[in-house]
Amino acid sequence: NAGVMQNPRHLVRRRGQEARLRCSPMKGHSHVYWYRQLPEEGLKFMVYLQKENIIDESGMPKERFSAEFPKEGPSILRIQQVVRGDSAAYFCASSPLPSGGTDTQYFGPGTRLTVL
Amino acid sequence: AQRVTQPEKLLSVFKGAPVELKCNYSYSGSPELFWYVQYSRQRLQLLLRHISRESIKGFTADLNKGETSFHLKKPFAQEEDSAMYYCALRGRETSGSRLTFGEGTQLTVNP
Repeated sequence: NAGVMQNPRHLVRRRGQEARLRCSPMKGHSHVYWYRQLPEEGLKFMVYLQKENIIDESGMPKERFSAEFPKEGPSILRIQQVVRGDSAAYFCASSPLPSGGTDTQYFGPGTRLTVL
Repeated sequence: AQRVTQPEKLLSVFKGAPVELKCNYSYSGSPELFWYVQYSRQRLQLLLRHISRESIKGFTADLNKGETSFHLKKPFAQEEDSAMYYCALRGRETSGSRLTFGEGTQLTVNP
């Protein structure tokens, strides 16, 4: 099992462009979480998705950010019209079971977004 | 609201010395507590969780509900323990499956 995959590992965008971050969960996992880590801070929860459903998006900024986890393919975190403050490391985690079970979250290597 | 505090950003000890990484939390319900570790150039990985009551790589952590703490301890630190350590909390009653992380402690074990 290759573990959680994220790509790209590094992404550079200019202000106003769009950023698309991809996350492929571990085999057999149908639950995906996105976290953001700003410089010198801990990881902050953004969104929790299951296949074709957003379960909890309470940590997502109200504008410019969206996430999806389609039936086929990776989960996508999309940031429109990026600003310098979006520069951060974005981590994806996946787990095998829904809430209430033993659902350890396994993390990907992260995507480091730099906005120029 | 739930919160995790790791008061030390940096911690440096000598090989063979005991080490304790502090973690305090605030949560009104029954929390699940975790320690995650990130070695240099590697991804974040689970070290241990309080419900397992296990010892991993010589590390232990006990949930103290009275003091709202979940400190990570190891009696004899090794150089390979040098890493970033994050304490995390999950509070299912109020926030489902998401994890709330502390800001992390960078542990350096000197030879």
